[in-house]
Amino acid sequence: NAGVTQTPKFQVLKTGQSMTLQCAQDMNHNSMYWYRQDPGMGLRLIYYSASEGTTDKGEVPNGYNVSRLNKREFSLRLESAAPSQTSVYFCASSEIGGGSPLHFGNGTRLTVT
Amino acid sequence: DQQVKQNSPSLSVQEGRISILNCDYTNSMFDYFLWYKKYPAEGPTFLISISSIKDKNEDGRFTVFLNKSAKHLSLHIVPSQPGDSAVYFCAAIDQGAQKLVFGQGTRLTINP
Repeated sequence: NAGVTQTPKFQVLKTGQSMTLQCAQDMNHNSMYWYRQDPGMGLRLIYYSASEGTTDKGEVPNGYNVSRLNKREFSLRLESAAPSQTSVYFCASSEIGGGSPLHFGNGTRLTVT
Repeated sequence: DQQVKQNSPSLSVQEGRISILNCDYTNSMFDYFLWYKKYPAEGPTFLISISSIKDKNEDGRFTVFLNKSAKHLSLHIVPSQPGDSAVYFCAAIDQGAQKLVFGQGTRLTINP
């Protein structure tokens, strides 16, 4: 019963480096999301994919790109990391989007120095 | 522009008593509301939800109340247990859209 799996769990980058955060779900969900969590800010939506083949911007998309590789996988790429991108990143999926509950992975803690 | 606000960053309650977590929203288009619970080093997990056509929804020890005119919802936990110590996030959505908006979270500590 894996649910939503995120890799890696921890990452340290230098400013300007790039990396891709991976996310996969095994619940046959249609919608997938990337959030970041910062102290005092709650969870903010970066990008989402309502269904396979579609992606759309959330509240804080600048500095990020996403790829919905197939129905299971949704990756988040930082092309040129900045210290402001130090955060905990959560991937989530839901059956149909809208108000259907999100299922979250356990997060990736990213530090950019 | 914080559309969903949880104004109490933390709350401490004695075991066995009632915990009340509050949430306010500004967007009148929101028509569905959810609460999530988060333990350290884990992702949030869904707890309970309520549609705007209702004013109360119960699930065991957890009850969510919605006051649309005040744009306010609250989560009641009774009786509170040590395992309820966690961060609680309120979230809201306009079901015609796809973007769930979260509050800042409230850290609940249940004291024995």
